Amino acid sequence: AQSVTQLGSHVSVSEGALVLLRCNYSSSVPPYLFWYVQYPNQGLQLLLKYTSAATLVKGINGFEAEFKKSETSFHLTKPSAHMSDAAEYFCAVSGSGYGGATNKLIFGTGTLLAVQP
Amino acid sequence: GAVVSQHPSWVICKSGTSVKIECRSLDFQATTMFWYRQFPKQSLMLMATSNEGSKATYEQGVEKDKFLINHASLTLSTLTVTSAHPEDSSFYICSAPPGTDTQYFGPGTRLTVL
Repeated sequence: AQSVTQLGSHVSVSEGALVLLRCNYSSSVPPYLFWYVQYPNQGLQLLLKYTSAATLVKGINGFEAEFKKSETSFHLTKPSAHMSDAAEYFCAVSGSGYGGATNKLIFGTGTLLAVQP
Repeated sequence: GAVVSQHPSWVICKSGTSVKIECRSLDFQATTMFWYRQFPKQSLMLMATSNEGSKATYEQGVEKDKFLINHASLTLSTLTVTSAHPEDSSFYICSAPPGTDTQYFGPGTRLTVL
């Protein structure tokens, strides 16, 4: 079975500071990994995804994440936080042992990012 | 890009009534769609997998007779909450994959049962 752990339910950074949101996964087979962002009362928007290609993945809005198999991690980073980055961030792993978007996603509990002026 | 819509965006109903929520893929076809529910300040929990032309697959603990799913076409899946009660109040979100490696999410439907 797959699972995702997001360390830190709340993260607060100053505008312009580095953003680091942590995600560790558990999977018995090569996973597909995703980061989604959710603004209040809205659906989820895909930030980036890892699907067994390059381990350093670049996404939208300046975010990137690195897949580290040895650490079973997929941490999300952004060099310089902007006020508009304040939102809830979810890490997710594909639920099937064979990956692929047609398989169900398993979500972490989410990290609420606050950006202070 | 892949766009998924949901209708309605919010609905308020009385206890005991049924509510239908639509999920549409606007620019692609989807043989599979997913339905999630999200309680305030919590993560998304998968309820069921909707399969075009066949029965939905429900997650453990989800009442299939209460949450009726119909995948009528390659672009439309519906979730009907039957005999809704206040504990069914939640944010319902659907998703669909246009290809083989990514799911795209609808904007969600806020259900409030009085």
